[in-house]
Amino acid sequence: AQRVTQPEKLLSVFKGAPVELKCNYSYSGSPELFWYVQYSRQRLQLLLRHISRESIKGFTADLNKGETSFHLKKPFAQEEDSAMYYCALSARDSGAGSYQLTFGKGTKLSVIP
Amino acid sequence: KAGVTQTPRYLIKTRGQQVTLSCSPISGHRSVSWYQQTPGQGLQFLFEYFSETQRNKGNFPGRFSGRQFSNSRSEMNVSTLELGDSALYLCASSKAVTGTSGYNEQFFGPGTRLTVL
Repeated sequence: AQRVTQPEKLLSVFKGAPVELKCNYSYSGSPELFWYVQYSRQRLQLLLRHISRESIKGFTADLNKGETSFHLKKPFAQEEDSAMYYCALSARDSGAGSYQLTFGKGTKLSVIP
Repeated sequence: KAGVTQTPRYLIKTRGQQVTLSCSPISGHRSVSWYQQTPGQGLQFLFEYFSETQRNKGNFPGRFSGRQFSNSRSEMNVSTLELGDSALYLCASSKAVTGTSGYNEQFFGPGTRLTVL
C-alpha cells in the first residue's frame, strides 16, 4: 500500500523568504508524484507533477527516489501563495487498470506580509 | 469549458438517514473519482468509475456506494448515516481511457458539504 506523509500541518514564513513544504512517500513501485493546491474558497487544483519537471508560479519539486521525498520549494514566498498544499501519489492499481490518488494530510502555508 | 459540478453544495441529514450526492464531470471525461475530506483524515479515496463500472475502491464500508451513468455523470450514496460521515465529498473527473499507461490529470469539483446531526 502507498502512503504520503506531510510532516508539517502549518508553515508560516515571511514574504520574500524561501519556502519548503516537505513530502515523503512510501510505495513499492515507480510512483508519480504531484502537488495540489487549494486557495481559500477555491477548488483543489493541480500545481505541478514530477514528470513534467516544470516550474509553476515559481514553485519547483524534485523527486528524490533515494530519500523517497518530493519536497515543494519556492525561493521567495508571496502573500498569494498562502493556501493548503497537498502532496499526492498516483499508483496504478494492478489489475484494475485505473489510477487513484493517495493524498498527504496537507500543509497550510501562511505567508506573513 | 465548464468545470466539474457537484450538487447539492450543502446537505444536513440526521443519523440513520441516507443521502445521494451528484457529480457532473467535464465534458469528454469518462472517469469519475470520489474522495472524502475531513480535518482528521484529510483526503481519502472512495471509489472510481469508468464507463459505468467501478474500477477501483478505497477502504470504506459498504454503506458507501456509487454508480455512473452512460453520460458519465456519477452519484454516490451513503446509507445509514453516522456522525462520522460528516465531511466534504469531492468528485474529480479525468479523461482516463482504458489501457492508458500514463496518469491523466484529475479535475476537482467544489465539493458537497455533508453534515450529519
